[in-house]
Amino acid sequence: DQQVKQNSPSLSVQEGRISILNCDYTNSMFDYFLWYKKYPAEGPTFLISISSIKDKNEDGRFTVFLNKSAKHLSLHIVPSQPGDSAVYFCAASGTGTASKLTFGTGTRLQVTL
Amino acid sequence: DAMVIQNPRYQVTQFGKPVTLSCSQTLNHNVMYWYQQKSSQAPKLLFHYYDKDFNNEADTPDNFQSRRPNTSFCFLDIRSPGLGDAAMYLCATSRELAVETQYFGPGTRLLVL
Repeated sequence: DQQVKQNSPSLSVQEGRISILNCDYTNSMFDYFLWYKKYPAEGPTFLISISSIKDKNEDGRFTVFLNKSAKHLSLHIVPSQPGDSAVYFCAASGTGTASKLTFGTGTRLQVTL
Repeated sequence: DAMVIQNPRYQVTQFGKPVTLSCSQTLNHNVMYWYQQKSSQAPKLLFHYYDKDFNNEADTPDNFQSRRPNTSFCFLDIRSPGLGDAAMYLCATSRELAVETQYFGPGTRLLVL
């Protein structure tokens, strides 16, 4: 039972344009959401997070939006750069789960010149 | 630089032959995690240590064991690897058991022949 879903395995975006990566979740107990970025041959690295008490969090070119009623979050990257090409994992955590992260399957972003 | 180190990066073992994967950290974090990631799937938490306290996920097979002899090191032992255990094994750390980011190592890719 996949509680965190990333339905797009891959996405290709032109340099300078906006990249939008989507994530859906089913567990209403999740209250903290994170995006991790993974380059080949490296471990995932933390990118940005959002608590369920917010609907938006911004950090430079990266913004995460949370729609609790739809159980949906998205990561916006503006403007996209070639160095953003990586696999992006959505992850969620819930109160009382002792920081256990439930991951999605990832979306591979390719930023083209 | 403070980091999470995993050795070896690639491990080949034979069906049924015990294998040990190693993780070390220089972050002095209290919590260490082991995840299993099969191809095109989400990383899946196997277990974690908070200091010396071991916490096994309910669906982690008995074939998987872990040891944490000190703060810096954590080992994943697979007692009798099967073909289905071929995967990327990710070690991660976090400062406390709370909703916060986890720091990942580069992973060890296990191949079972």
